[in-house]
Amino acid sequence: DTGVSQDPRHKITKRGQNVTFRCDPISEHNRLYWYRQTLGQGPEFLTYFQNEAQLEKSRLLSDRFSAERPKGSFSTLEIQRTEQGDSAMYLCASSLKWDRPSGANVLTFGAGSRLTVL
Amino acid sequence: GENVEQHPSTLSVQEGDSAVIKCTYSDSASNYFPWYKQELGKRPQLIIDIRSNVGEKKDQRIAVTLNKTAKHFSLHITETQPEDSAVYFCAAPRVDTGRRALTFGSGTRLQVQP
Repeated sequence: DTGVSQDPRHKITKRGQNVTFRCDPISEHNRLYWYRQTLGQGPEFLTYFQNEAQLEKSRLLSDRFSAERPKGSFSTLEIQRTEQGDSAMYLCASSLKWDRPSGANVLTFGAGSRLTVL
Repeated sequence: GENVEQHPSTLSVQEGDSAVIKCTYSDSASNYFPWYKQELGKRPQLIIDIRSNVGEKKDQRIAVTLNKTAKHFSLHITETQPEDSAVYFCAAPRVDTGRRALTFGSGTRLQVQP
């Protein structure tokens, strides 16, 4: 296990099509996060899981977006009826459950899945 | 969520000079402040972080300072080198996730001129 893996690295699709991204976190990490990053901007939080439970979703996550982590290991992010505005880098990150009083939570990012919607 | 403001958006320095990037946050209960470096086409990587029980932390040429009263924290890079050229992001815990997820600043593009 060398880190967080994401697949595919690049996806080009036509508007209206559905796309799915997969993330494999570091095996001992029980928290998994999805972020979106557009050119020149910082990562924007989309959603996160603790084990298989999806605990929080950003307002950025419209009804066309759905994320799952069925067995508490890998996760998928699906975008239905893609729009040109969905073009971005989709980053996955993982971390260990907070178990220190300081509340620190170090995120390790994957290389991302770049989506281009034509 | 948490508001994190980052300045400047771009910074150009001569090799060997120091660089300082500043971030402000709004949640007074936030207790963890990391800095990530993202090189072109690569993933963000943690370079240093600080917890609210200390005011400064150093790691070789990199340091982070925290002022809890003023709610700001800064990244200091000394003796800059061309390989320090990248985009740097600060982050702070998001209140709406029980501070388990991070919200990121908008980034600072650092260019170190040889």
